[in-house]
Amino acid sequence: KAGVTQTPRYLIKTRGQQVTLSCSPISGHRSVSWYQQTPGQGLQFLFEYFSETQRNKGNFPGRFSGRQFSNSRSEMNVSTLELGDSALYLCASSSQGVGTNEKLFFGSGTQLSVL
Amino acid sequence: DQQVKQNSPSLSVQEGRISILNCDYTNSMFDYFLWYKKYPAEGPTFLISISSIKDKNEDGRFTVFLNKSAKHLSLHIVPSQPGDSAVYFCAASPPDKLIFGTGTRLQVFP
Repeated sequence: KAGVTQTPRYLIKTRGQQVTLSCSPISGHRSVSWYQQTPGQGLQFLFEYFSETQRNKGNFPGRFSGRQFSNSRSEMNVSTLELGDSALYLCASSSQGVGTNEKLFFGSGTQLSVL
Repeated sequence: DQQVKQNSPSLSVQEGRISILNCDYTNSMFDYFLWYKKYPAEGPTFLISISSIKDKNEDGRFTVFLNKSAKHLSLHIVPSQPGDSAVYFCAASPPDKLIFGTGTRLQVFP
């Protein structure tokens, strides 16, 4: 079974631009959740999509948005990029979703650098 | 407000000895906890979990202990191996979200 795939692996953008990251979950998984990892902050939950609907959302500004397609693939969009958005963005998939005590399967992440 | 805290950013342990990684949480309603391990350039992978109805869970060299009254959990790795060198995250799993700590970097040296 193929794992969680995130593209692109690296991305460099400038302030004010927008960016779209992609995540393909494990086949059969309906939940995709997104996380931001920065030094000193650990992994912070952005949001979760389940069967094309946003089910949960963390404490991030509205510049961070996402969507999920019928094949469970998910995209995350960040608009009006700021220097502080530089981070590793990870997505994870599972059958039942976060908060169900089920373990998550993570992708390798997209390293975003904002200059 | 950090609801899950890992107060030791790093830990260095000799091969063969015990590694103890600690995690504290603030919300007594949290009832399920997980540990993930992360190597550089890879995503986190699930290691072990524990429910609040237990105070201990073992899986091979890994044991997690939960002290509900102290709102504290710890991960023991015995014996530690160089391949265990990674960043370890604890996480609490309340309904509909997953709250991670800031991580502890473990280095196991020969």
